[in-house]
Amino acid sequence: EPEVTQTPSHQVTQMGQEVILRCVPISNHLYFYWYRQILGQKVEFLVSFYNNEISEKSEIFDDQFSVERPDGSNFTLKIRSTKLEDSAMYFCASSDTGLAGDRKFFGPGTRLTVL
Amino acid sequence: AQSVAQPEDQVNVAEGNPLTVKCTYSVSGNPYLFWYVQYPNRGLQFLLKYITGDNLVKGSYGFEAEFNKSQTSFHLKKPSALVSDSALYFCAVRDTGSGNTGKLIFGQGTTLQVKP
Repeated sequence: EPEVTQTPSHQVTQMGQEVILRCVPISNHLYFYWYRQILGQKVEFLVSFYNNEISEKSEIFDDQFSVERPDGSNFTLKIRSTKLEDSAMYFCASSDTGLAGDRKFFGPGTRLTVL
Repeated sequence: AQSVAQPEDQVNVAEGNPLTVKCTYSVSGNPYLFWYVQYPNRGLQFLLKYITGDNLVKGSYGFEAEFNKSQTSFHLKKPSALVSDSALYFCAVRDTGSGNTGKLIFGQGTTLQVKP
């Protein structure tokens, strides 16, 4: 079965630093997502992306966050100035149609630790 | 507001016994419901989904789930648990009345522990 991959698996950074989390979605998928899970809390939606545009974002996804598909294979999440509360597991996902009932394929996650 | 609740942080069952992992939801429209499983160091893996039709949905690895509209529940079940089923299970919902962008609302997850 095809897989979504994410790098790095663990990122440690100092507060105020910029981080870029990388994802390689499944090759024929067109819809991309980022979710995060703060330790002990629910998995939360951050953003969805299609056709080089954000199609929906949550209130968490403020001006400190941005997403990009810099080439035909990667999908990145950038946090410009990290805060302690950004420490979480970040999951990338992709789907082929983007429909509400569509199955999403999730990556293994990047654990971000902000010190 | 849309929400999903998984009332049990952990479920313990003996191998060979039936298992149930509970999920209830709240949406404004009709729900699309999903179960995902997470093994250590792996991404969320799709198990099954309910869109419409038969209330009993069959999925991967012998799992099934029953949609109950009156109780707003979508409990995950398996007739005979395996030790290898031990993992973290997430229930998720998409409210069809909220557009078509594919955003999922997740429950907090339930750890299933199957003992030999």
